[in-house]
Amino acid sequence: DGGITQSPKYLFRKEGQNVTLSCEQNLNHDAMYWYRQDPGQGLRLIYYSQIVNDFQKGDIAEGYSVSREKKESFPLTVTSAQKNPTAFYLCASSIDGTLSTEAFFGQGTRLTVV
Amino acid sequence: SQQGEEDPQALSIQEGENATMNCSYKTSINNLQWYRQNSGRGLVHLILIRSNEREKHSGRLRVTLDTSKKSSSLLITASRAADTASYFCATRNAGNNRKLIWGLGTSLAVNP
Repeated sequence: DGGITQSPKYLFRKEGQNVTLSCEQNLNHDAMYWYRQDPGQGLRLIYYSQIVNDFQKGDIAEGYSVSREKKESFPLTVTSAQKNPTAFYLCASSIDGTLSTEAFFGQGTRLTVV
Repeated sequence: SQQGEEDPQALSIQEGENATMNCSYKTSINNLQWYRQNSGRGLVHLILIRSNEREKHSGRLRVTLDTSKKSSSLLITASRAADTASYFCATRNAGNNRKLIWGLGTSLAVNP
């Protein structure tokens, strides 16, 4: 089946640790996105990539890093510099970066700092 | 910054009733999209309506767009318990800003 897969579903991090969230898509989409969702809030854009080997900061990029070495993969690293990392993280993809068509979402990763 | 603002924030109805959710936005748009999110899951795309369209239908869903009022509505007819979810609107602004701007969502509860 074509789709977008995030792993793991749940992730626990100790303070001071970096963690990497995985996002893989087999939809042959050029554009990929990472969002953060907090309770009672909408989605906030962390990073996005419109093409392989290129990515841009979104609205809340501080404390996060990404890479886009392959078209199908867009991992997100939550670094120790992110002061409040506990949240629900959503990865999405779209055919291209114009967003003239819909975005497809993974099932999310819930990150908890312990 | 949030542009789409949905109202109501929460809606509770009985099965079989219709549910209407509204979304307002601030700037000119290329398109407006509605998504559904079940609790603890990812978002699922429902309908995309372009700025030159006024109404679209998909099954029990009807979306309208009024660009003069910068608003959109999502109507779910003959609701079912399985429609219980949060519904979000997202706007793709006109111009080169290639991001979706998200509202805070409407939480819909359909009671059996």
